[in-house]
Amino acid sequence: GQQLNQSPQSMFIQEGEDVSMNCTSSSIFNTWLWYKQEPGEGPVLLIALYKAGELTSNGRLTAQFGITRKDSFLNISASIPSDVGIYFCAGLELRGKLIFGQGTELSVKP
Amino acid sequence: EAQVTQNPRYLITVTGKKLTVTCSQNMNHEYMSWYRQDPGLGLRQIYYSMNVEVTDKGDVPEGYKVSRKEKRNFPLILESPSPNQTSLYFCASRKQGGYQPQHFGDGTRLSIL
Repeated sequence: GQQLNQSPQSMFIQEGEDVSMNCTSSSIFNTWLWYKQEPGEGPVLLIALYKAGELTSNGRLTAQFGITRKDSFLNISASIPSDVGIYFCAGLELRGKLIFGQGTELSVKP
Repeated sequence: EAQVTQNPRYLITVTGKKLTVTCSQNMNHEYMSWYRQDPGLGLRQIYYSMNVEVTDKGDVPEGYKVSRKEKRNFPLILESPSPNQTSLYFCASRKQGGYQPQHFGDGTRLSIL
């Protein structure tokens, strides 16, 4: 099955730093999603993007849907310790199936 | 409270011993699916169901079965588990139609010895 290429795989940053991660695909998606997973829990939706070029914010999080519809990025500004977790991008296929990236594990040092 | 509930949360078992992981949602969602999560691979879909009695294979269905006899329940069955099915499993549900956010359960960690 198809997978998205998500990078970086892991990040170790200092509290207060900004973070950027991205996903690329060989196929076009009509919807891009970003999820966060904390230890012992399932993924939780952070941001959904529905149109090419769309830039959407959710607090300190900003995500963009690439113009080509084959990529997306997520930025976290002024990171805090509770940002720790695994972040997944996902592309939604026409028939409703979600394709997930491999995940970016974020560690924030106080 | 809207929930997707999986049981058990943790299970250690042996090769060949049939097991079932239950999944139940209280949101009247039509669509339900099972994923497995492995390091470096993200989440991969095992099976999904668009509604009662309608199921279909995802990307990694080998060694798994599912059933959807009622709208709220979508059990995952491993008839003869093998060590390569050791993984973290998630059930998810959402409403059908357009894009509707998926709600994930808290996961089931299976270890097959």
